Amino acid sequence: AAGVIQSPRHLIKEKRETATLKCYPIPRHDTVYWYQQGPGQDPQFLISFYEKMQSDKGSIPDRFSAQQFSDYHSELNMSSLELGDSALYFCASSLEGTRVWISYNEQFFGPGTRLTVL
Amino acid sequence: AQKITQTQPGMFVQEKEAVTLDCTYDTSDPSYGLFWYKQPSSGEMIFLIYQGSYDQQNATEGRYSLNFQKARKSANLVISASQLGDSAMYFCAMREGRAGGTSYGKLTFGQGTILTVHP
Repeated sequence: AAGVIQSPRHLIKEKRETATLKCYPIPRHDTVYWYQQGPGQDPQFLISFYEKMQSDKGSIPDRFSAQQFSDYHSELNMSSLELGDSALYFCASSLEGTRVWISYNEQFFGPGTRLTVL
Repeated sequence: AQKITQTQPGMFVQEKEAVTLDCTYDTSDPSYGLFWYKQPSSGEMIFLIYQGSYDQQNATEGRYSLNFQKARKSANLVISASQLGDSAMYFCAMREGRAGGTSYGKLTFGQGTILTVHP
């Protein structure tokens, strides 16, 4: 079965550089979530998109932006990178459907992109 | 306030024994879901088990079961017959309901528990 694809898997950048992380959700999934997991930390929600529109926003720095494209893939753009941005970035996708409350919509996580800022 | 609390930073268990990983949560929303994920050292997040706030019975998935005590707001993960491959970080997470809120679908994670299985 198709899974969530993230690219690149590893990325090394210098301070003040920019980075773009890509996420390809499971086909027909309409919702994408981005999470950031710092070393030894739990994942923190950054932002989500439902049907290509931003649906929720968490603790995402202003230096970061994201969007979901017409083919449902999503990109997280990170500028002016700081050492503290070094983390594992997860993308997850799910099928939210008609947005009627369904408590169980499993979020399928991608393998993550490990970003190292030097 | 912390919405998901995992009070055990690390747990040790002997192979083939059972182990319980604790999770308490805080929400005023009547509709919510509780999830457990396993994160091996390789980093991927593996979904283990889910419990809905309206579910009458405790969830089970193979060797995993969830001891859901709604009044106490706890959702402990029980792993039976531990295996060496169970050694990993385990996260409890919650998804709150949509009613009137903007929290649409995001998961809030606890701090995690590192489980080590000894042979």
